[in-house]
Amino acid sequence: DQQVKQNSPSLSVQEGRISILNCDYTNSMFDYFLWYKKYPAEGPTFLISISSIKDKNEDGRFTVFLNKSAKHLSLHIVPSQPGDSAVYFCAASAGDYGQNFVFGPGTRLSVLP
Amino acid sequence: GAGVSQSPRYKVAKRGQDVALRCDPISGHVSLFWYQQALGQGPEFLTYFQNEAQLDKSGLPSDRFFAERPEGSVSTLKIQRTQQEDSAVYLCASSLSRGGTEAFFGQGTRLTVV
Repeated sequence: DQQVKQNSPSLSVQEGRISILNCDYTNSMFDYFLWYKKYPAEGPTFLISISSIKDKNEDGRFTVFLNKSAKHLSLHIVPSQPGDSAVYFCAASAGDYGQNFVFGPGTRLSVLP
Repeated sequence: GAGVSQSPRYKVAKRGQDVALRCDPISGHVSLFWYQQALGQGPEFLTYFQNEAQLDKSGLPSDRFFAERPEGSVSTLKIQRTQQEDSAVYLCASSLSRGGTEAFFGQGTRLTVV
């Protein structure tokens, strides 16, 4: 049973438009959420995070929104750039260690020039 | 180095062979994680160290998998009697402390068992 779900395996967006990547989770104990970006043949790179005490966190072109009641978070990228084309993983953590991250299966974003 | 370093980058093993994968975390990072990533899937947790203590090994798929971090820095993931289903990318990550901070990943070791 997947605790972190990313129901869209892929997404294509025109350059300059907004990209919205979605993530749903089932474990109500999760209290910290992260987005990672991964290029081929590289390890995941941290992008942005949000604690459960917040509902929004913004960093430049990237904004993460958290809806705890719906157990849903989303990553907005605006404006999208071709260099944003990558696989995006949503991850969540909870518990004593706080960082036993549970990853979703990823969404492949393609930003078309 | 500035980042998490893993070696080798690629490893081909014959079925039944033992392999050892190395991870050099970022200097000073307390927490170290191993993940396994199968093709087309997200990373799956294997084990977690806080300094030299292995606090969670619940993700190790079988007793053929063993990880250590004897001095609280470099870590080794060992897989004994490799099987084809062990083929995956093995990712190591480290973070400065536990709780509330992101983990930094290495480039991974791609293991192919033939």
